[in-house]
Amino acid sequence: DAGVTQSPTHLIKTRGQHVTLRCSPISGHKSVSWYQQVLGQGPQFIFQYYEKEERGRGNFPDRFSARQFPNYSSELNVNALLLGDSALYLCASSLIIIGLAGRWGDKNIQYFGAGTRLSVL
Amino acid sequence: AQSVTQLDSQVPVFEEAPVELRCNYSSSVSVYLFWYVQYPNQGLQLLLKYLSGSTLVKGINGFEAEFNKSQTSFHLRKPSVHISDTAEYFCASSQAAGNKLTFGGGTRVLVKP
Repeated sequence: DAGVTQSPTHLIKTRGQHVTLRCSPISGHKSVSWYQQVLGQGPQFIFQYYEKEERGRGNFPDRFSARQFPNYSSELNVNALLLGDSALYLCASSLIIIGLAGRWGDKNIQYFGAGTRLSVL
Repeated sequence: AQSVTQLDSQVPVFEEAPVELRCNYSSSVSVYLFWYVQYPNQGLQLLLKYLSGSTLVKGINGFEAEFNKSQTSFHLRKPSVHISDTAEYFCASSQAAGNKLTFGGGTRVLVKP
């Protein structure tokens, strides 16, 4: 089975431009989360979506937005790019999220894609 | 708020030697803990997880970790490393399934021949 797929793998943009990153979850997974990993740091949570609704948002400016489609794929959009937005953007999917599972289990585990490396010049 | 601290940013180790990567977490409620590995130019791969039950957790590739609630630690160990274990390792926590993962800063392991 295919894992989490992200496109494009690499992207170069200039300051002020906008960018759209795409993610396809593992087949059957209904939740997608986005993380930003700046070079030399751990990933930082940006968004989580489940059943097309936003279920969580990290401490990122409004320039960052996302959505989830009926087929559970997702897009992350970043407007007015800054140099500091240069990072590896990771997408993760899971079958379900808490509330439906009742308690933690393997269905809640997040699986990551290989990421999109964004360079802002 | 949750936080995860990885006490070593880099760990050099010789091939076939043991390695321990240290991780401490802070949380006022029940917490779920994970170790992920990131090979160069790749995404994150789950090594192991602690959800409940036995405090000694075994993962893939010969890694294991021990959950210590009193010391709020979740240290990762491998008794004998290989060159192929050269990678960056991230400890992460979550307070609820599917909720956000909070990551530590990572520990870069360099296995020397």
